[in-house]
Amino acid sequence: SAVISQKPSRDICQRGTSLTIQCQVDSQVTMMFWYRQQPGQSLTLIATANQGSEATYESGFVIDKFPISRPNLTFSTLTVSNMSPEDSSIYLCSAIPRTGETQYFGPGTRLLVL
Amino acid sequence: AQSVSQHNHHVILSEAASLELGCNYSYGGTVNLFWYVQYPGQHLQLLLKYFSGDPLVKGIKGFEAEFIKSKFSFNLRKPSVQWSDTAEYFCAVNAADRGSTLGRLYFGRGTQLTVWP
Repeated sequence: SAVISQKPSRDICQRGTSLTIQCQVDSQVTMMFWYRQQPGQSLTLIATANQGSEATYESGFVIDKFPISRPNLTFSTLTVSNMSPEDSSIYLCSAIPRTGETQYFGPGTRLLVL
Repeated sequence: AQSVSQHNHHVILSEAASLELGCNYSYGGTVNLFWYVQYPGQHLQLLLKYFSGDPLVKGIKGFEAEFIKSKFSFNLRKPSVQWSDTAEYFCAVNAADRGSTLGRLYFGRGTQLTVWP
């Protein structure tokens, strides 16, 4: 299994600003992902965080808006840039351990943009 | 892209009632299937998963799910629910036969289960 932590757990931000969310896994993992869960909706995959290369974004998500870093096998960051109220959501990090195929999720970062 | 449908958005049951939550997906290839649960104030946890083999899989806390390939379904069941099962349940699908999409999960909208004591 993998234990995933995220920082911050929640934040309130002003529109036009940016927020960087950190994701830390307690063991080396093969793959890391970032999801968004908007109010009343399901989880939507934003991107796959690739170690040592650019993230792979899903349709509707772009690097300029959601830059992602993954400097090593246990850590990733997601930045929500130039925020608007529509970015208010829960952002979740997930990872697949080297030893399996099951995806584990972090506790999420609850973001409110005013 | 795959899509996942959970037909019941909110289910209310009394303790000891039986539960079945529906999940259908749209993808013609080989799939991995998951049910995740999110208890109030907690993060997503894996309830059970299907990769291959016996289409009836058993998970934690007495839950089970049956993969019916012909119906593109993976319904979750529990014979007798408890108050502590109150949570939101998410069905998720991953395309198993595409290496480039390994790990990319597509989620249903979730079903909120409320169990009255």
